[in-house]
Amino acid sequence: NAGVTQTPKFRVLKTGQSMTLLCAQDMNHEYMYWYRQDPGMGLRLIHYSVGEGTTAKGEVPDGYNVSRLKKQNFLLGLESAAPSQTSVYFCASSYSSGRVSGELFFGEGSRLTVL
Amino acid sequence: GQNIDQPTEMTATEGAIVQINCTYQTSGFNGLFWYQQHAGEAPTFLSYNVLDGLEEKGRFSSFLSRSKGYSYLLLKELQMKDSASYLCAETDSNYQLIWGAGTKLIIKP
Repeated sequence: NAGVTQTPKFRVLKTGQSMTLLCAQDMNHEYMYWYRQDPGMGLRLIHYSVGEGTTAKGEVPDGYNVSRLKKQNFLLGLESAAPSQTSVYFCASSYSSGRVSGELFFGEGSRLTVL
Repeated sequence: GQNIDQPTEMTATEGAIVQINCTYQTSGFNGLFWYQQHAGEAPTFLSYNVLDGLEEKGRFSSFLSRSKGYSYLLLKELQMKDSASYLCAETDSNYQLIWGAGTKLIIKP
């Protein structure tokens, strides 16, 4: 069982470069999320999707874009990376939202460093 | 507002019991989650409470009081592998999770 898979696991970028993080889930979940986790702070929601072809902004969406062209994939893009985007990024998926005990299943995380 | 508070760090002894508290402030509460996160790994689900009371699951129990905006995670018979961060998260009026910064639990022999 692969569950939620993120690629790449590690990446170092220079300021201004662009990149895409890929998240894939094989559990047929409707909901997918991108979070960032920084020391001393809780997980912060960047963008999320409630189904194929839909996306919505979370708490900290600036500087990021997302796409959900296929139900199983959720892509996170950084158009022009900034040092403030140095973080660990987690993708998660769930069968339902929090209204019905929507347990989140997380990927292993992607550690991004922007120099 | 939406604010989750939990202690930054706690230390306990192997075999003992520890209680990790979490308080929240939201006008649209729809449930509270506890997740475990080992260093360098992804969070994993522990429990979900939407009604007042205690939910027991093996060595772990979670309690909720909606009127007090308060929850705790109780870990019994502590093992060294329980050393991890414990994340409290509440579901807001939009059914999105608002996360606390986590409590780092250190288990000593």
